[in-house]
Amino acid sequence: QGHLVQSGPEVKTPGASVRVSCKASGYTFNTYGIIWVRQAPGQGLEWMGWITAYNGKTNYAQKFQGRVTMTTDTSTNTAYMEVTSLTSDDTAVYYCARDGRFRADYWGQGTLVTVSS
Amino acid sequence: QSALTQPRSVSGSPGHSVTISCTGTSSDVGGYNSVSWYQQLPGKAPKLVIYDVTKRPSGVPDRFSGSKSGNTASLIISGLQAEDEADYYCCSYAGTYTYVFGSGTQVTVL
Repeated sequence: QGHLVQSGPEVKTPGASVRVSCKASGYTFNTYGIIWVRQAPGQGLEWMGWITAYNGKTNYAQKFQGRVTMTTDTSTNTAYMEVTSLTSDDTAVYYCARDGRFRADYWGQGTLVTVSS
Repeated sequence: QSALTQPRSVSGSPGHSVTISCTGTSSDVGGYNSVSWYQQLPGKAPKLVIYDVTKRPSGVPDRFSGSKSGNTASLIISGLQAEDEADYYCCSYAGTYTYVFGSGTQVTVL
């Protein structure tokens, strides 16, 4: 039974960067991928990218390429996502989820990132 | 990658059925049997209710079912209950570790 716990809420100023963590437990971390999804206030889910914990291979949505970096630390079973050059449009709840073979079967609780001057 | 198209809202009376459509292209929905559906209650993380078009995770009531025809997938909720009132999102694999979500549908139980 997988379980993902994310880091706490963040408040950032425009132009700053933010790093969100996602600690996994209850399954063998390096045999699954992690996907990252965000949801702006009142909006739908948006897929941001994917990383395999096995070797760190990534694939980012075109919209976020060059501004998002996803990594994993297999020693602590933790995935990270960093977003740079934040604008108010990046204000959203960011979710991590386990890629259980073409489906997101376990989700973190979400991390609210607020970008405001 | 454009979002998959879902109706903004659907509604139904308790005990009745509702169907939510999810329309994509041959590069996503039509190209793979890897469509999943998620239920999102207000203020909560999404929850997987259907995967691989038709499969239900353990613990999900059999009132939830899925199907696909061509580039359109569907989620059917039979025997609608008050607790089913939520937002629902489809998601499709689109090749090379890429996924695309639907625009989301609000289900209202009358």
